[in-house]
Amino acid sequence: AQTVTQSQPEMSVQEAETVTLSCTYDTSENNYYLFWYKQPPSRQMILVIRQEAYKQQNATENRFSVNFQKAAKSFSLKISDSQLGDTAMYFCAFEGGGATNKLIFGTGTLLAVQP
Amino acid sequence: EPEVTQTPSHQVTQMGQEVILRCVPISNHLYFYWYRQILGQKVEFLVSFYNNEISEKSEIFDDQFSVERPDGSNFTLKIRSTKLEDSAMYFCASSDPHVGVNTEAFFGQGTRLTVV
Repeated sequence: AQTVTQSQPEMSVQEAETVTLSCTYDTSENNYYLFWYKQPPSRQMILVIRQEAYKQQNATENRFSVNFQKAAKSFSLKISDSQLGDTAMYFCAFEGGGATNKLIFGTGTLLAVQP
Repeated sequence: EPEVTQTPSHQVTQMGQEVILRCVPISNHLYFYWYRQILGQKVEFLVSFYNNEISEKSEIFDDQFSVERPDGSNFTLKIRSTKLEDSAMYFCASSDPHVGVNTEAFFGQGTRLTVV
């Protein structure tokens, strides 16, 4: 069974600084997708960034980028120029290549951006 | 921008009562999901629905739960006899997976269910 592990329950970063959130996963599949979701205090789930396992190039979305290491099964999220609005819970998620496309989430990292 | 909408945003119910949580997925999406998040815990998969039937369900999704797509737009989650431990945030999501194009799941804003 696939698992997703986020080993950092909480992180803190100063505004305008860079922070990296860690995520590792376990799977025997070769084709899959990885996601980072943001959950602000409103508790809505917002997609931050997506990575297809068959792509070697790391995904980037403005200030957000990932370091995808397929052999190591690692998928970290880097937030550059952190802003107060980035304060949220961040969940790493895995989606296998099977028929149902269900997401398996990690336990989350609570990121606090300090002014 | 199209979005998934859920109603109600907050529901309080007595233990043992039936509740129905409603969702309107994005109109051209084919897969529908329910997830649950107990306060302070991770988001857990409950069930996926495709072509008018359940395609996968988790261990959490026991006989007390059911899903339905009663018409062309709504997707509902019913809990027949609520328990205190059903108190959680319930998220509906939908996706339109095509290989090599997009498998992103779009989430609704959630329904907070409180069982008292």
